[in-house]
Amino acid sequence: SQTIHQWPATLVQPVGSPLSLECTVEGTSNPNLYWYRQAAGRGLQLLFYSIGIDQISSEVPQNLSASRPQDRQFILSSKKLLLSDSGFYLCAWTRTSNTEAFFGQGTRLTVV
Amino acid sequence: AQSVTQPDIHITVSEGASLELRCNYSYGATPYLFWYVQSPGQGLQLLLKYFSGDTLVQGIKGFEAEFKRSQSSFNLRKPSVHWSDAAEYFCAVAYSGAGSYQLTFGKGTKLSVIP
Repeated sequence: SQTIHQWPATLVQPVGSPLSLECTVEGTSNPNLYWYRQAAGRGLQLLFYSIGIDQISSEVPQNLSASRPQDRQFILSSKKLLLSDSGFYLCAWTRTSNTEAFFGQGTRLTVV
Repeated sequence: AQSVTQPDIHITVSEGASLELRCNYSYGATPYLFWYVQSPGQGLQLLLKYFSGDTLVQGIKGFEAEFKRSQSSFNLRKPSVHWSDAAEYFCAVAYSGAGSYQLTFGKGTKLSVIP
């Protein structure tokens, strides 16, 4: 069966520090991968998606970047965090198309 | 562009009462529709999905949803709510674009259950 791992679960970082959140998928190959951010009362905002290694699409301009160095690994990064980067970050995967998304357990990021 | 509207931010129901959560979408083609549930501090779990066929779909935990094309709606229902159903519920619509496949979510409806 397929599983998705996301870590860390909780992170507190000072403003201006770097960020690296990691997501890995097991039990499938060539998944589509996604990073979402969830802010209170604002639903889920798609940040990045990837259809393959080193193929990243950004949905919104922001202080974040994403990379996919391996087929089942998706990393969310920032060089310098802002207070506004605080939120709940969710990684997800789908098969190629027309199926539901499977979500990781999320990372609660607090920038102080 | 596609969009999803969940008009109710917060709903409170008594345990054992029926429930209906509303969802309206805007999308040019036949949509793929989903309902997800999220417990506090957790990821999202799929409740049910509609791709085609029977417009009344059954999901897990006793939930069902009905796709009404004429109303652009996909409302979630449960005949008798349990205290464990208290959570946040998200409606989503999927589309394919640029070689990928993306979900657009509503802003969610938080469900509180009174014992």
